[in-house]
This record gives sequence, structure tokens and C-alpha cells, in this order.
Amino acid sequence: DGGITQSPKYLFRKEGQNVTLSCEQNLNHDAMYWYRQDPGQGLRLIYYSQIVNDFQKGDIAEGYSVSREKKESFPLTVTSAQKNPTAFYLCASSTRPGQGVGYTFGSGTRLTVV
Amino acid sequence: GQSLEQPSEVTAVEGAIVQINCTYQTSGFYGLSWYQQHDGGAPTFLSYNALDGLEETGRFSSFLSRSDSYGYLLLQELQMKDSASYFCAVRDRGTGFQKLVFGTGTRLLVSP
Repeated sequence: DGGITQSPKYLFRKEGQNVTLSCEQNLNHDAMYWYRQDPGQGLRLIYYSQIVNDFQKGDIAEGYSVSREKKESFPLTVTSAQKNPTAFYLCASSTRPGQGVGYTFGSGTRLTVV
Repeated sequence: GQSLEQPSEVTAVEGAIVQINCTYQTSGFYGLSWYQQHDGGAPTFLSYNALDGLEETGRFSSFLSRSDSYGYLLLQELQMKDSASYFCAVRDRGTGFQKLVFGTGTRLLVSP
């Protein structure tokens, strides 16, 4: 079945560490996105990518970095510069940027700073 | 910029009908979407309105009024499994790329 796989499901990070969250899709979607969700809050856009080797900052990109070397993969690195990284991170994809009406989401990674 | 407002919580009983409202402000409107998210889970797409009027999908319907910058999600014959958070989202143009901006969500609690 086609879908988006995020790993790991739970991740613990020590202060000052960089961690990378994985996102892989086999839907042949061009566009991919990373959202952050805090408890009781909506989804805020971190980064998005329209095509391979291209990505753009979203609304809260500070302290995060991404890469898009393959169509199927869009990993997110949470750097030590992110002051409050504890959150639920969701990866999504869509057929074409601005096209289609539904995003497909992964099941998320819950990151906790210890 | 863009912003969306939803009630934070709605409660209802099984079998009832509930309406979740969403008002939005956006520079360039390209449609209103609705997503459902169970606790700890992934949001799933429910419906989309690009034009004014009602779209029906089974027990769920979604309505849009572009002149009022307003939409709602209507859930009929409520079931316990409908307890979840519901988000409205607008497609908003930014630097030539249309992306989704989400509201803060409405938590629906369905009781027996």
C-alpha cells in the first residue's frame, strides 16, 4: 500500500544534540512538507519542497534544516539552535504543489528533549 | 497573512448532529479543507470546498461561503469514533507556492 512512513515514532534528544527525523513516501508525490504540532495547537509549517533538490522555509524554519535529494525522501534535522524542540512532527505529501485537495500525512514522530 | 478561527471544543451525544465552524482571513483564497485527527495520530483528509455551497460525503458535509469567509463541517449520526480534533485549512499562496495553513483545531467529544 502506498503511504508515508515516518521514523522513529518516539525520539529523545539531549540538550545540544542534533537529531534527524525520517520521512519516506511511495506515493510518487512531488511535494512534501514538514509540520510541527504542539499540544492543543494547530499545525505549523516548518519547511516544504516542490521538487527534488529544492525546498523553501515555512513559517517556523529557525533551528531546522531539510534536504530533498530523492523524490521519496524528505528528512528533517532538528538542530541544537532550536530552543524548544519538544513537539509532535508530521510529514505530509501531495501530488503537485497547489494541485489536488488532500495532503497525505505520516503517523508522526514525537520528539522529547531530556 | 492568513488566520483561521475555530471553536476550541465542542461536545455532543451519540446520534446527534454537530457543526464545527471556521472563519478565515487570507490573502488569495484557493479553497477550504477539513482534516480529522485522533489523539496521537495522523491528520486525515475529510473534505474540500473550492466553491460556495455544500459538499456531502457520507455522514460528513462541508459548507463554504466565500463572501463571508466562512465554512463549516457538519457531522451527522455521531458515533463515538468521531471523537477527535478537526482542523480547517486554507490553501494560501506564498512566494508562488500554494501551501496549506491550518486552524488551531476543534476538539469534538462524543458521549454515549
